[in-house]
Amino acid sequence: DSGVTQTPKHLITATGQRVTLRCSPRSGDLSVYWYQQSLDQGLQFLIQYYNGEERAKGNILERFSAQQFPDLHSELNLSSLELGDSALYFCASSLPSGGVSGYTFGSGTRLTVV
Amino acid sequence: DQQVKQNSPSLSVQEGRISILNCDYTNSMFDYFLWYKKYPAEGPTFLISISSIKDKNEDGRFTVFLNKSAKHLSLHIVPSQPGDSAVYFCAASVSGGSNYKLTFGKGTLLTVNP
Repeated sequence: DSGVTQTPKHLITATGQRVTLRCSPRSGDLSVYWYQQSLDQGLQFLIQYYNGEERAKGNILERFSAQQFPDLHSELNLSSLELGDSALYFCASSLPSGGVSGYTFGSGTRLTVV
Repeated sequence: DQQVKQNSPSLSVQEGRISILNCDYTNSMFDYFLWYKKYPAEGPTFLISISSIKDKNEDGRFTVFLNKSAKHLSLHIVPSQPGDSAVYFCAASVSGGSNYKLTFGKGTLLTVNP
């Protein structure tokens, strides 16, 4: 157990629908990062939050949005889903300075859009 | 612009031999480098890191070498074991900034054959 909890582990939904992925960071970590991995490709950075505020944006579609709540958990909302959104979605957390090991990743949510 | 590059998408080695995974970077501000290991359907896990003030860091079978002048680092695994078969991501960061963020390479799939 890495300390970063992602729910649900698996999600199957239809095109056009909306889903919410949830992430609880490791205790003490203020930063949360979201990544998408499609079909054995690399890690595509989506968005970063630090203590409730958006800090950096990557290749995140306008149909996707995220937020970090006062208790530091984060949610990634994916709407108007398309087949191409099927992927593994990872959340990671870190200390403000990263520490020795940088990010701690969760085990991911596998999203399948049918 | 890809600031961290792993030019070999895959590598295959025999059990017991050395595995060498390479990574190049372009941003001279990077001063901390990490390697992560990822098994299928799991989140990446931290493997080893190195600061730019060093040129080598060793942890058991894993050694990372850093050549700052060439902007190149490599991960050596000796001896390689079948359980080392995974995707390896190289990552880099800049210390002391106002926002901690890692830049990842696209990964190298290592296959260790028995």
